[in-house]
Amino acid sequence: GENVEQHPSTLSVQEGDSAVIKCTYSDSASNYFPWYKQELGKRPQLIIDIRSNVGEKKDQRIAVTLNKTAKHFSLHITETQPEDSAVYFCAAKDFGNEKLTFGTGTRLTIIP
Amino acid sequence: DAGITQSPRHKVTETGTPVTLRCHQTENHRYMYWYRQDPGHGLRLIHYSYGVKDTDKGEVSDGYSVSRSKTEDFLLTLESATSSQTSVYFCAISESQAGGPSFGPGTRLLVL
Repeated sequence: GENVEQHPSTLSVQEGDSAVIKCTYSDSASNYFPWYKQELGKRPQLIIDIRSNVGEKKDQRIAVTLNKTAKHFSLHITETQPEDSAVYFCAAKDFGNEKLTFGTGTRLTIIP
Repeated sequence: DAGITQSPRHKVTETGTPVTLRCHQTENHRYMYWYRQDPGHGLRLIHYSYGVKDTDKGEVSDGYSVSRSKTEDFLLTLESATSSQTSVYFCAISESQAGGPSFGPGTRLLVL
């Protein structure tokens, strides 16, 4: 089955700086890669996703890049703000498969 | 947030007792999932459903069973709860296999 590794497990950045979280996956059949944000005590929420026919996708201050050859994808947050503090999870699956495999999460702390 | 509710939201039970968690959706989505969230493990799939009476196992299904008799309801049962099943349980729903699921508010379960 799919295995997703996520790094780093914790990340602290100064407000206004950029943050990058990286994930690798094992199954070359995976073609859908979502990112979830989970604030303390809340449910995970989908913030951005990318499909394998696209190398990069942006939505305001967040972007995701995908390298299918190397089997890794990354989340980039620019101009970080205090409300970006949360745990972020990457995930991967094959479109035709119901089973979404998650990474173990990155706790991002924005230092004011 | 998507129309997903979970009940109960918090439960304390004793080892060996049966426990049933309920997920209810108002979105008429075909796919429903049960995940558990534990520190250091991210979100792990327990069971999922792809239609009424159609269910399948996820990666951590031992000790759990599910039922889906109506589109809107997906039940997770711990036949004989163990301390290792202490966790936060999230239900999730998805309209299709093509995207990431939306999560419910979670149920915090403590097995003493």
